[in-house]
Amino acid sequence: EAGVTQFPSHSVIEKGQTVTLRCDPISGHDNLYWYRRVMGKEIKFLLHFVKESKQDESGMPNNRFLAERTGGTYSTLKVQPAELEDSGVYFCASSLAAGRNEQFFGPGTRLTVL
Amino acid sequence: GDSVTQMEGPVTLSEEAFLTINCTYTATGYPSLFWYVQYPGEGLQLLLKATKADDKGSNKGFEATYRKETTSFHLEKGSVQVSDSAVYFCALTSGTYKYIFGTGTRLKVLA
Repeated sequence: EAGVTQFPSHSVIEKGQTVTLRCDPISGHDNLYWYRRVMGKEIKFLLHFVKESKQDESGMPNNRFLAERTGGTYSTLKVQPAELEDSGVYFCASSLAAGRNEQFFGPGTRLTVL
Repeated sequence: GDSVTQMEGPVTLSEEAFLTINCTYTATGYPSLFWYVQYPGEGLQLLLKATKADDKGSNKGFEATYRKETTSFHLEKGSVQVSDSAVYFCALTSGTYKYIFGTGTRLKVLA
């Protein structure tokens, strides 16, 4: 069974540009999550999808971030326009159900904004 | 709000040394506790978990005991190997879908 995959693994962009990160969850997992680790700090929750619906986007930093999950399969996280403080590692995770169920994480996308 | 505090790294040990990485938490209710590990170039992997007080999670020689009285979940291994070099994250969830993570502790094991 394939795990959670993320693309790209690394992205280097300039301030003001747009970047789109992609996450493919484990097949059959309705729940998909985005997290971010900035500058060696803790990993913080960004948002949660159940199928194609956003259940909670309370962790999204601001309106420069837009997450979508069309069709309830893969998800994209767009940052537009990117700022220096957006640099970090963006993790995606998926689970069969929410609550105390284990979340399976992808390898992350390292974003560097210059 | 809920939070996790874990010891800062990096931690550098010689092979076969004893490892302890401290983790304490603050949470309402009765959280589930986790240790995740990130090996170089890989994603976060669940190492072990405990869902109620006094539970001991164990895997690959690592152990952690859920201590409600001290709100702790320290990670231990009796004899580390070079292959254990990684970043270790303590995390909790209080019955919701959000994981609350600590800052991570980098472990480097020298041959």
